[in-house]
This record gives sequence, C-alpha cells and structure tokens, in this order.
Amino acid sequence: NAGVTQTPKFQVLKTGQSMTLQCAQDMNHNSMYWYRQDPGMGLRLIYYSASEGTTDKGEVPNGYNVSRLNKREFSLRLESAAPSQTSVYFCASSLRLAGVPYEQYFGPGTRLTVT
Amino acid sequence: AQSVTQLDSQVPVFEEAPVELRCNYSSSVSVYLFWYVQYPNQGLQLLLKYLSGSTLVESINGFEAEFNKSQTSFHLRKPSVHISDTAEYFCAVSELGNTGFQKLVFGTGTRLLVSP
Repeated sequence: NAGVTQTPKFQVLKTGQSMTLQCAQDMNHNSMYWYRQDPGMGLRLIYYSASEGTTDKGEVPNGYNVSRLNKREFSLRLESAAPSQTSVYFCASSLRLAGVPYEQYFGPGTRLTVT
Repeated sequence: AQSVTQLDSQVPVFEEAPVELRCNYSSSVSVYLFWYVQYPNQGLQLLLKYLSGSTLVESINGFEAEFNKSQTSFHLRKPSVHISDTAEYFCAVSELGNTGFQKLVFGTGTRLLVSP
C-alpha cells in the first residue's frame, strides 16, 4: 500500500497563477481532508470530504476549491494564488464509522511558495 | 468549538532524560484525544489516542499520555528520550461538526529537540 500520495512535492507560483494539488489514497477510506501548515499555527483544515460526493468547508477555505473526484482522489485548487497561500499542504484520509473519529493518515505534503 | 493549547513551542532535552509535552483542551461532552508526531520533512503519524476506557494510553516506542478530565489535559511523557525522538508533536481533539461529522482540531505543536 502506498497510503496517501500527493503531487507535486514542491511548487513555486507567481501571484495570480492557478494550480491543482492532487491527492490519492489506496486504503479504501471514505473521508478525506486538506490542511495547511504554517509556522506557529499548527494544522488548519481547509476543506474536507466526509464521504464520496460531499465536500464541506473547514476553518480556512477562502481562496481554495476542492473536488472529490472519486473515493480515492481529492484535489485542492488555487484559482488565483496569493503570497498568503505560501504554506505546506497536507492531504489526509480516514475511515468514517458511526461518528467515531478514526485516525487520519497523512500524505508527505506539498511545499508551495507564491511569489 | 473545541480548542487545543500546547503552551510549549519548543522543548530542549538531553538524551536519556525524561520529557513531558503539555496539552490542554476545551471541555466537551465526549472527548477524543490524539497525539501525532511529525519527523522533519514528513507528514504526520499517529503516536497514540484516547477514545475511551483506561485513561493511560501508550505507544509502541515508549511514549505515554494520560487523559485527565478534571484538568482537561492530555500530556505526553517519555521516561528516557532518544536522539531519534527529535520531531514536532501535535496534540489534537475531535470536534463534532454541524453535519455530525467528527473533525480533528490541532494544537500549534511542540518541537522536541534531543541533544547528546
């Protein structure tokens, strides 16, 4: 099992450019998440998908969109990148059963710099 | 809404010394608590979790954490640290959202620096 994979690993964008971060999991998990990690702020939830076909906003959704393409894949799109979106982005997945918070499995991250 | 406080942003310690990383959370009817570890340039990995039952939970690499409901704490301890324990540690609490979905709320992290 590869677990959770993310592409690309690194990306540099100019202000105003767009890009899509890709995430895939092979653990048959039904829930997937996108976080950003900034120094001194921990991980903040951007969007999540509780199950295939649903997406919801997290704590910091502004400037982002997501697509749950199928059960395996959950992408994050920046339509018009801004320097404030410079961050490390992590995708995660978990099972969802009867409201119990099963552990989340994280990908290796994408380091994004917006100049 | 739930919240998590990790007061120590960095904890330096010598190898083989004991360590405690502190975590306090806001109270809730049902509390599920987690510690995650992040090694340099990697994603997060689950270290241990408290869902119910015994308030003392242990990991396979010698860490333990105790759920203390009266003090709303879930401190992480290890009696003797190794150089390889150098990493950032995140405490997290589950939050029941409007849709009935459990989400994790993370603390800001504590960087453990183990030196020889």
